[in-house]
Amino acid sequence: AQKVTQAQTEISVVEKEDVTLDCVYETRDTTYYLFWYKQPPSGELVFLIRRNSFDEQNEISGRYSWNFQKSTSSFNFTITASQVVDSAVYFCALSGQNAGNNRKLIWGLGTSLAVNP
Amino acid sequence: EPEVTQTPSHQVTQMGQEVILRCVPISNHLYFYWYRQILGQKVEFLVSFYNNEISEKSEIFDDQFSVERPDGSNFTLKIRSTKLEDSAMYFCASSSRVSYNEQFFGPGTRLTVL
Repeated sequence: AQKVTQAQTEISVVEKEDVTLDCVYETRDTTYYLFWYKQPPSGELVFLIRRNSFDEQNEISGRYSWNFQKSTSSFNFTITASQVVDSAVYFCALSGQNAGNNRKLIWGLGTSLAVNP
Repeated sequence: EPEVTQTPSHQVTQMGQEVILRCVPISNHLYFYWYRQILGQKVEFLVSFYNNEISEKSEIFDDQFSVERPDGSNFTLKIRSTKLEDSAMYFCASSSRVSYNEQFFGPGTRLTVL
């Protein structure tokens, strides 16, 4: 069975602090994909990153960085120098390379991040 | 930049009524999905659709739900007899053959069942 766990329900930081959002996943697939999505108060889902299971290289995009550790089944997301506009719910998701034409996403419960001025 | 669109943005209906939620996926995409998010909860997979048939459906997607691609552009989700617990945000997503693991999401339709 596939599962995504985001243990942090809510995080509150002060602007300019760094914050790390944790994501732990479970899957029996040897090939799989991990994602992070942002859901601002307006409700839409904003794609942030996709990482496949063969690519453990960490990625940095501006103030965002992602740490993929296959050994611990984790795909953590760090925001450096957080800003008020980063306030949102962040979802980690998993997609398996199963047979057929389905690439459904399995979602974590989300972490609600509040960045206070 | 191409995007997935959904209509309406908000639908209010009475319990027992039928609703149809509409989605226009990105034009060259071949894989289509519906997800649901009950307020304050996680996003849940409902159904995937490829080559004019359902690829997979979750346990949520019971006989009250159906999907259709009536023409070359629209992808619809029908709920035959809505229940109070169907109140949620419904997201449509699509992906291409080339990048099938990157799903592009629409802005969602908020369904309120009274």
